[in-house]
Amino acid sequence: SQTIHQWPATLVQPVGSPLSLECTVEGTSNPNLYWYRQAAGRGLQLLFYSVGIGQISSEVPQNLSASRPQDRQFILSSKKLLLSDSGFYLCAWGQGTNEAFFGQGTRLTVV
Amino acid sequence: GQQLNQSPQSMFIQEGEDVSMNCTSSSIFNTWLWYKQDPGEGPVLLIALYKAGELTSNGRLTAQFGITRKDSFLNISASIPSDVGIYFCAGQLDSGYALNFGKGTSLLVTP
Repeated sequence: SQTIHQWPATLVQPVGSPLSLECTVEGTSNPNLYWYRQAAGRGLQLLFYSVGIGQISSEVPQNLSASRPQDRQFILSSKKLLLSDSGFYLCAWGQGTNEAFFGQGTRLTVV
Repeated sequence: GQQLNQSPQSMFIQEGEDVSMNCTSSSIFNTWLWYKQDPGEGPVLLIALYKAGELTSNGRLTAQFGITRKDSFLNISASIPSDVGIYFCAGQLDSGYALNFGKGTSLLVTP
């Protein structure tokens, strides 16, 4: 069966520090991968999605970037965090039937 | 992304009551999904709908894909305390890869 792993679960980072969140999927190949951000426990905003290695589409301009170095690995990064980057970040995967399956999320607090 | 209008924003009900929530869009979707999110966790897929008019059940949950393809509803029958959480609708446009999410319905159930 397919599983998705996202880490870390929580993170507290100072303003101006770099960020790297990692997501991996097991049990499938060539999945669509997504990064979402959820603010204040409501509303999921799509940040990035990828349909293949090295293919990244950005939905909103921001201080973040994404990379897909391997088929089942999706990384969310920032060179310098802003206070406004705080939130709950969710990785998800999908394939074929348009469904998306989410990881457990990372709670990021920028201080 | 396309805006989904999800209502109600919140519901406070007694155990045993039935619940109904819905989503509407100005655009046609080819897929409607319903998710539940518990605090601090990622959303979990409850029901997926792929055809206009489709009515699908998952235990006490029933969801329908509207005939116009611009709306969907989710019903929960005989609610129980563990139904507490935030319920999200999500839809996919004909031409898009990623899902568009509603802002969620927060459900509280009192014993």
